[in-house]
Amino acid sequence: EAGVTQFPSHSVIEKGQTVTLRCDPISGHDNLYWYRRVMGKEIKFLLHFVKESKQDESGMPNNRFLAERTGGTYSTLKVQPAELEDSGVYFCASSQGTGSYEQYFGPGTRLTVT
Amino acid sequence: AQTVTQSQPEMSVQEAETVTLSCTYDTSENNYYLFWYKQPPSRQMILVIRQEAYKQQNATENRFSVNFQKAAKSFSLKISDSQLGDTAMYFCAFMTHPFSSNTGKLIFGQGTTLQVKP
Repeated sequence: EAGVTQFPSHSVIEKGQTVTLRCDPISGHDNLYWYRRVMGKEIKFLLHFVKESKQDESGMPNNRFLAERTGGTYSTLKVQPAELEDSGVYFCASSQGTGSYEQYFGPGTRLTVT
Repeated sequence: AQTVTQSQPEMSVQEAETVTLSCTYDTSENNYYLFWYKQPPSRQMILVIRQEAYKQQNATENRFSVNFQKAAKSFSLKISDSQLGDTAMYFCAFMTHPFSSNTGKLIFGQGTTLQVKP
């Protein structure tokens, strides 16, 4: 069974540009989470999808971040326009249905904004 | 709001010895999970062990065990017979029980980098 995959693994963009990160969860997992780790700090929750619906987006830092989950399958996280403080590692995780506690993580996308 | 604190940024241990990683948390909830995740260098984060708050018995998974002190809000990880493959960053994490919340988001500590030396 394929695990959670993320693309790209690393992205370097200039301030003001747009970047789109993609996450493919484990097939059949209803829950999809985005997290971010800024250099030297803890991993922080961004948002949670249940299928195609946003269940909790309390961690989204501002309106420059837009997340979607088309058809309840893969998810994208767009940053537009990117700022220097957006640099960090973006993790995606998925878990099965309601009540699932175990989240399976992807390898992360390292975003560098220069 | 819940918080998780790992006060040891870096630790090292000799191969075959035992090491304990510390974690404290703060919450007003009574029903929750605690986890330890491991992220080896350049690899994906994986779940090492979990503890349900209502269970008094400490969780154990092979060489990994926890010391869960609910009243003290402490959740340490003990690794016995350390192996080179245990070298990784370890994250302590908190989750409100999924049936008590509309989200299963994890709240992480800052992480502890563990180096196992040959």
